[in-house]
Amino acid sequence: SQQGEEDPQALSIQEGENATMNCSYKTSINNLQWYRQNSGRGLVHLILIRSNEREKHSGRLRVTLDTSKKSSSLLITASRAADTASYFCAEGDGANSKLTFGKGITLSVRP
Amino acid sequence: DTAVSQTPKYLVTQMGNDKSIKCEQNLGHDTMYWYKQDSKKFLKIMFSYNNKELIINETVPNRFSPKSPDKAHLNLHINSLELGDSAVYFCASSQILQERLFFGSGTQLSVL
Repeated sequence: SQQGEEDPQALSIQEGENATMNCSYKTSINNLQWYRQNSGRGLVHLILIRSNEREKHSGRLRVTLDTSKKSSSLLITASRAADTASYFCAEGDGANSKLTFGKGITLSVRP
Repeated sequence: DTAVSQTPKYLVTQMGNDKSIKCEQNLGHDTMYWYKQDSKKFLKIMFSYNNKELIINETVPNRFSPKSPDKAHLNLHINSLELGDSAVYFCASSQILQERLFFGSGTQLSVL
């Protein structure tokens, strides 16, 4: 099955800086979702953006979607050490009702 | 209260054995899933159930058999375990198919 690609694969920043993570996808999506996974834990849903939306905010999170480039970005502003985790984008293709996860980005926020 | 709970958290077993992983959700969701995450963190859907009916069954060996006794439970039974089955298995649920999934904390399966 198709699978999104996140970029970069790993990101290390200082606390207080912004973190930008990108995701490219291959299918015609119904929605694009971002999840966070702390070490040894399950995934936590962060935000869902639909194919007819371009930008969405949730607290310190900002997600954009560019369907012409088949890409999405997740911006975490004013990062905290607690944001250290792996972040996954997941493409919902609607037609086959499948949610396909990317390989994940490891974010390290240094105190 | 834990929204999606799965047991056991760790499972160490010998090749050839049969094992089960249990999952329960108390969110009132209609859809439940099993995902497999490998050592590189690649997450792949295995099964999806909606109202106790199987709706997604990816290319998974038939040694893996999901069972949903009711909407709140989706158990995974694995026969004749193989070394390649070693992974973390996640149960998840959602109200709408494939949107806003709630994940359990995972079961780390090690086959020796």
